[in-house]
Amino acid sequence: KAGVTQTPRYLIKTRGQQVTLSCSPISGHRSVSWYQQTPGQGLQFLFEYFSETQRNKGNFPGRFSGRQFSNSRSEMNVSTLELGDSALYLCASKGGGSRTEAFFGQGTRLTVV
Amino acid sequence: AQSVTQLDSHVSVSEGTPVLLRCNYSSSYSPSLFWYVQHPNKGLQLLLKYTSAATLVKGINGFEAEFKKSETSFHLTKPSAHMSDAAEYFCVVSDNAGGTSYGKLTFGQGTILTVHP
Repeated sequence: KAGVTQTPRYLIKTRGQQVTLSCSPISGHRSVSWYQQTPGQGLQFLFEYFSETQRNKGNFPGRFSGRQFSNSRSEMNVSTLELGDSALYLCASKGGGSRTEAFFGQGTRLTVV
Repeated sequence: AQSVTQLDSHVSVSEGTPVLLRCNYSSSYSPSLFWYVQHPNKGLQLLLKYTSAATLVKGINGFEAEFKKSETSFHLTKPSAHMSDAAEYFCVVSDNAGGTSYGKLTFGQGTILTVHP
């Protein structure tokens, strides 16, 4: 069974640009969540999608947005990039049923210059 | 609301000695608790999980954790450290509001484990 796949693995962007990150969950998983990891703030929840609907949202500005497609693949978009957006962005997929664990991808390392 | 506090940002042990990584949690509902490990430049790997069954949970690579509701703790232990255990460890809580397992996870700040030869 293939794991969670995130693309691209590394990305360098300039301030003011926008970026789109992609996540393909484990086959059959309908929940996809996104997290931002930085040395200062640790791992912070961005948002969760379930069956193409945003089910939960963290405390991030509106520049951060996402969507989920009918095949459960998810994309995350950050507009008007700031230096502080440099981080490792992790995607997690989760199966159905209560109390199941999340499986994480390798992450996308975004550097804003 | 849910929160997690990892009591040590760094733990240093010698190879072959016991490991203890401490975690306290706060949750409004019946929580699920997890320990994940992250090696440098890698994603997160699940070590073990507590989901309201046995309070002593065994995980991979010889790790185990005990859920203590009265102390709101979920400490991670291993009897004998190995060099390959050096990594960052995260204690994670997930609320189970109304019996539904939502995807939002709340992470502790992480504990960096160093293992000396």
